[in-house]
Amino acid sequence: DAGVTQSPTHLIKTRGQQVTLRCSPKSGHDTVSWYQQALGQGPQFIFQYYEEEERQRGNFPDRFSGHQFPNYSSELNVNALLLGDSALYLCASSLFGVNTEAFFGQGTRLTVV
Amino acid sequence: AQSVTQLGSHVSVSEGALVLLRCNYSSSVPPYLFWYVQYPNQGLQLLLKYTSAATLVKGINGFEAEFKKSETSFHLTKPSAHMSDAAEYFCAVSDRETSYDKVIFGPGTSLSVIP
Repeated sequence: DAGVTQSPTHLIKTRGQQVTLRCSPKSGHDTVSWYQQALGQGPQFIFQYYEEEERQRGNFPDRFSGHQFPNYSSELNVNALLLGDSALYLCASSLFGVNTEAFFGQGTRLTVV
Repeated sequence: AQSVTQLGSHVSVSEGALVLLRCNYSSSVPPYLFWYVQYPNQGLQLLLKYTSAATLVKGINGFEAEFKKSETSFHLTKPSAHMSDAAEYFCAVSDRETSYDKVIFGPGTSLSVIP
């Protein structure tokens, strides 16, 4: 059983560019959440998708947007990249409305230069 | 709103010594609490979770944590440290005011194990 898979594993982008990160949830899961983990800090919640809609959002600007597809996979898009967007981006999947923990992927390391 | 604090950004212990990582939480509703471990350049792995059953929770790799409501604490312990325990540890609380699976993380504690 494949767990949560994220692609790519590493990415380097230039300030001002746009980036798309991808996540496939664990088999049987229907909800995807995205987190940003800056170096030396704990992960910060960006947003959560269920039934192809954004259900919750953390304190992140509109430059951060997402999408969920009918197969439950998800994308995180970041526009107008800033140096401060450099971080590890983690995807977590879960089953909506069921009290089980979220499973995390290995993350995508984004470096903005 | 829920929040988590972790006392000590860095903890060093000798191999074979007791590991104690501290976590305090703030929550307006009965919390669900977690400890995650993160090895270098890796994602997060769940060590253990508290979901209002037994207050002493046993997890993987010999770790356990005790939920103390009166102290709003959920400290992580392991009787004997192993070199492979060196990693970053995050305490987290589930934002049950909105949904179970939105997790709020503490800042993390880096554990070093000295041979």
